[in-house]
Amino acid sequence: IAGITQAPTSQILAAGRRMTLRCTQDMRHNAMYWYRQDLGLGLRLIHYSNTAGTTGKGEVPDGYSVSRANTDDFPLTLASAVPSQTSVYFCASRVSGGGNQPQHFGDGTRLSIL
Amino acid sequence: GQNIDQPTEMTATEGAIVQINCTYQTSGFNGLFWYQQHAGEAPTFLSYNVLDGLEEKGRFSSFLSRSKGYSYLLLKELQMKDSASYLCASMDSNYQLIWGAGTKLIIKP
Repeated sequence: IAGITQAPTSQILAAGRRMTLRCTQDMRHNAMYWYRQDLGLGLRLIHYSNTAGTTGKGEVPDGYSVSRANTDDFPLTLASAVPSQTSVYFCASRVSGGGNQPQHFGDGTRLSIL
Repeated sequence: GQNIDQPTEMTATEGAIVQINCTYQTSGFNGLFWYQQHAGEAPTFLSYNVLDGLEEKGRFSSFLSRSKGYSYLLLKELQMKDSASYLCASMDSNYQLIWGAGTKLIIKP
């Protein structure tokens, strides 16, 4: 079934540890996104990639890094996790070109930093 | 600045009609999206408007007024499964989505 796969589904992590959240899509979408969702706040963009080989910073990029080596994969890395990074993380993808193409979301990763 | 406003929570009765409003202010405008998000799940796409007017899709309709920076999502014949959060998002000039905090819709029997 075509779509976006995120891993892990959930994770409890000690502060200071390094963590990579994985995101893979098989829809051949050019654009990919990482969001965090916190209670009472809208989805906030962390990083994005408009096409393989390029990345950009979103609204809340500090403490996170991404790479886009190929079309399908867009991993998000927390270099040294802090409790404020406790959140639900969603990866999304979209066909580039034209405003009418919606973003499609993975099932999310629930991350708790202790 | 960029801003999306929508009510935090609404309550409606099964079988009734509910309108969820959204006002937006973004740098450039490439359309207005509505998504549905059930608790603990991912957002799923509902509708897209870029021209003024009403778009109807079954029980759900979405309206846009670009001059007023205003949209609404209309849900008819409410069912218990419609209990969810509804997210409004405006696409800016860079084709990035600016998201509202979401409206939690509670359906009562």
